[in-house]
Amino acid sequence: AQSVTQLGSHVSVSEGALVLLRCNYSSSVPPYLFWYVQYPNQGLQLLLKYTSAATLVKGINGFEAEFKKSETSFHLTKPSAHMSDAAEYFCAVSRSGSNYKLTFGKGTLLTVNP
Amino acid sequence: DTEVTQTPKHLVMGMTNKKSLKCEQHMGHRAMYWYKQKAKKPPELMFVYSYEKLSINESVPSRFSPECPNSSLLNLHLHALQPEDSALYLCASSQDLGDRGLEQFFGPGTRLTVL
Repeated sequence: AQSVTQLGSHVSVSEGALVLLRCNYSSSVPPYLFWYVQYPNQGLQLLLKYTSAATLVKGINGFEAEFKKSETSFHLTKPSAHMSDAAEYFCAVSRSGSNYKLTFGKGTLLTVNP
Repeated sequence: DTEVTQTPKHLVMGMTNKKSLKCEQHMGHRAMYWYKQKAKKPPELMFVYSYEKLSINESVPSRFSPECPNSSLLNLHLHALQPEDSALYLCASSQDLGDRGLEQFFGPGTRLTVL
């Protein structure tokens, strides 16, 4: 079984501030982890993925995430928020042997204040 | 071309109508997916096709009928829907259902409203 918990359904930051979106996972086997972003009335876009290579993963738009097995976490960060980062962010988990099934977290809405 | 396209962008239908949603990809992917997303919720998997064969049906009501005419196209036929079926319907594709297919590429979705 696999599951994802995103802490905080809504995160608000000021423009230029650090963005930290939290994701904890549960998986009985080594997981594959993903962060997707969804802008209003659009589909999901992959920001970055962890597939058992480097634990620090760099993605698009200046985002990165670190896989910490001891903490079962995969938090998403960006050093300096931009107004265009305002969107819904989903953490998702998959695993070998069940690769078709992405299990999503409930999502975190990021708002960026000027 | 790394794009998944979906048509129409918006669809309004009555409960007695029959309509279809279309999805297309030209990335050579052999796995395709339909998801349903309600407002402020994560996507929920509905169907998975692998090499044009239905691989997974997540207990979806029969008023939703998927079809995969070829490796690039995926349709979702709708009939006798209920207002609670109003949602954003997302199509996705991946290389396959094995370890090469970990990354799913999503289309922009069809916003469906059932009156």
